[in-house]
Formats: sequence, C-alpha cells, structure tokens
Amino acid sequence: TQLLEQSPQFLSIQEGENLTVYCNSSSVFSSLQWYRQEPGEGPVLLVTVVTGGEVKKLKRLTFQFGDARKDSSLHITAAQPGDTGLYLCAGRHNQAGTALIFGKGTTLSVSS
Amino acid sequence: DAGVIQSPRHEVTEMGQEVTLRCKPISGHDYLFWYRQTMMRGLELLIYFNNNVPIDDSGMPEDRFSAKMPNASFSTLKIQPSEPRDSAVYFCASSLPGLAGVDTQYFGPGTRLTVL
Repeated sequence: TQLLEQSPQFLSIQEGENLTVYCNSSSVFSSLQWYRQEPGEGPVLLVTVVTGGEVKKLKRLTFQFGDARKDSSLHITAAQPGDTGLYLCAGRHNQAGTALIFGKGTTLSVSS
Repeated sequence: DAGVIQSPRHEVTEMGQEVTLRCKPISGHDYLFWYRQTMMRGLELLIYFNNNVPIDDSGMPEDRFSAKMPNASFSTLKIQPSEPRDSAVYFCASSLPGLAGVDTQYFGPGTRLTVL
C-alpha cells in the first residue's frame, strides 16, 4: 500500500512554464517534507511543513500543506532547466526519529 | 563535515555472492537509516537505528538481508546470498532530531548494486 500518492509521475515542460505537483494521502501526517533528487545523488531536503494550511516559499518554489494535513503541493513558477530532477514528498506520522514514508516521486524535466 | 559517506558507489556481483554495503553517518547524528530505491517501488525504508540500536527492521525484505551498527560512525548492510531482484540503489541517511519533533535526513550518494 502506497500511503503517499504523488502526481503526476512524469512531467516534461519548457523553460518559463509554471507547474504544480501533488502529494496526497488518506492519512494525517504530523509533518511533511519535500526532497529533490538529482541523477546519481541522494535526495536533498527542500522544505518541511508542519502546520495545516502552512505555505512556505523558497525562491520560485511554493509549498503548501493541506488544512487537514493529509496532502501537499509544490508549485514552481517560471521553471528553469536547473529545476530538473525527481521531487519526493515524505511524511511522518509521529515525532522525530520515526520512519519517513516516501511517495514514489514526480520526475520533472525542464528543457530550454 | 563531509556528509554521509557510502561505499562502494557501484557494485556488480553475481547471483549467490555476498554483498556488503558500508555507511559512515554525519558525526553527531544519532539516527541512521538504510533505504532501497527502485523504479517500481520508489524509496523504501529497510531499517533504522537510534544510538546504534536497531529500532525498526520491518522493511528488511527477508532473512538474506542484515544490518549492523557496531559504533556511532559505521554501519553495514549485508545481502547473503544476493539475487538479481536485489538490484537497486541503496541509500544511507542520518539525522539528528530537531525542534518540534521535526528533523532533516541527510542522504549519502548511494550504492548502485547490480546482481547478475
């Protein structure tokens, strides 16, 4: 059972376009994180959201945690080729130290 | 800090052989995680340690897999005997619990295992 569903699975866009990727679950998470992974490397944390309805911005990236803390979205404005990579969401049910549950990820390709 | 260090970066072996993957976590981190990543199943947690003690190994696929953490700076994941379906990228990550119960996991570069 995949507890975190990410969509779309693949996304190929042109430089300058906007996009949104989604992370959905039927479970409530105490916190949710977004990671980006580039080929040949491990995932790197982008952001952590903790409060329902929380919105965080990281330059051209906007992250939102759903009010019920069951879903999250990542919006990228004016995508750049450097945004290319695998975007993973990961949720935690309990306090720090317990396992992160990862979605399968969205593979984003931005061409110039 | 050098970050999480994994070795080897690539391993090609034949079915039936023993494989040992190694990890050095970030100094001072007291949690260590082993993950496996495949296209089909994504990133799966295999096992994690807290202060060198295994906490949850429910993700270990079967008895052929074992993991140890003899001290705070070293962990191994062993597969014996290896099978072609074990082919994947294996990641090690470490973390230090932060405020409000939220922590950051720092991943190593991974070991790409191919079992022929």
